[in-house]
Amino acid sequence: ETGVTQSPTHLIKTRGQQVTLRCSSQSGHNTVSWYQQALGQGPQFIFQYYREEENGRGNFPPRFSGLQFPNYSSELNVNALELDDSALYLCASSLAGAGGYNEQFFGPGTRLTVL
Amino acid sequence: QQQVKQSPQSLIVQKGGISIINCAYENTAFDYFPWYQQFPGKGPALLIAIRPDVSEKKEGRFTISFNKSAKQFSLHIMDSQPGDSATYFCAALGYSTLTFGKGTMLLVSP
Repeated sequence: ETGVTQSPTHLIKTRGQQVTLRCSSQSGHNTVSWYQQALGQGPQFIFQYYREEENGRGNFPPRFSGLQFPNYSSELNVNALELDDSALYLCASSLAGAGGYNEQFFGPGTRLTVL
Repeated sequence: QQQVKQSPQSLIVQKGGISIINCAYENTAFDYFPWYQQFPGKGPALLIAIRPDVSEKKEGRFTISFNKSAKQFSLHIMDSQPGDSATYFCAALGYSTLTFGKGTMLLVSP
């Protein structure tokens, strides 16, 4: 069983550019959630995907968008990058619909720096 | 609006001591309360979690105490070890999404 993986590990972009971050879910999981973790802060929920559809969204502008693919991997896209977008972006996978609580397992994150 | 408040922001404990981290929540729709441990450069890892119908859960050296009426919960780390030095986050799960506290940086001195 493989855990949650994310790519790339680090990324440097300039203001106004666009970025795509990738996540592979833990084997058997069907739900992916994305979080933004600013330095010294707790992760903040961006959105969640279940069965390839957005299933909840936090307080983030529309320039943050995502996709989930049939194999449950996922992408986070951010357009028109701003300096404040510099953060660690975390992907978490879980298994919804199996009853009980959908424990979320996190990947190592992608460190995005916007200059 | 911060829905999960965590304290203290940082904590220094001697090896063998007890580390205590507290959290309070506002939203009564939360129905699951996990704690995560995060080392530098790594993603958060699930440490222990509790449901609101249980007042205490213990796993090894880690214990969660939960007070539903006060909307508070806490993590106790017994016999703290230098390897426990990390940032700890409480969280609350509602509608399949996690709301995190701001984190507590724990340093266990040898």
